Amino acid sequence: EVQLVESGGGLTQPGGSLRLSCAASGFTVSGNHMSWARQAPGKGLEWVSIIQTGGRTHYADPVKGRFTISRDNSDNTLYLQMNSLSAEDSAVYYCARYDNSGSYPDYWGQGTLVSVSS
Amino acid sequence: DIVMTQSPDSLAVSLGERATINCKSSQSVLNRSNNKNYLSWHQQKPGQPPKLLIYWASTRESGVPDRFSGSGSGTDFTLTISSLQAEDVAVYYCHQYYGALGTFGQGTKVEVK
Repeated sequence: EVQLVESGGGLTQPGGSLRLSCAASGFTVSGNHMSWARQAPGKGLEWVSIIQTGGRTHYADPVKGRFTISRDNSDNTLYLQMNSLSAEDSAVYYCARYDNSGSYPDYWGQGTLVSVSS
Repeated sequence: DIVMTQSPDSLAVSLGERATINCKSSQSVLNRSNNKNYLSWHQQKPGQPPKLLIYWASTRESGVPDRFSGSGSGTDFTLTISSLQAEDVAVYYCHQYYGALGTFGQGTKVEVK
């Protein structure tokens, strides 16, 4: 059974950093495209970043140069390093797995809340 | 970037009645090399993460009730709930995956009238 469990969210000050984790089970993170999306309170879904099976990464414009997506095959975990955080980054962050053809997201985690406030 | 626009933003439907959600993309998401529309639909119930309902515009994900159906091609797509059930109250998002990162529509909230 595919499972995705996010952790690492919390409250941090503007300019601070957080590292989100997404522990995967039922498949290997290196065998599927993996991504992070976010949802600000009461708002819609927004993609943040994706890491493809070959290691290529893409980032949404608002997070380029501040966020880094990575994966660790040894512990089957996806990560999102977030630096220079601002209030606009406050959201629930979801990790998602893409289907085996690398096309569409087919499984989502429960999410972890990131709050940026002084 | 491809912009996805859903209509309406919200709708209220009586139990057992049909609900129809439209989604329009700013450019075609049809890949003519494989004749597939790179469009999926996701359901998000209150307090829950999204859940995949439909992919390739019209293919129902395993385990999704057959009252959910997707149609359309190119730039215009529709999600239909043929007979609304109480458990279908949710926000529905269309999503294009033609580009590397993809984009979502703004969401359509479905409620019971």
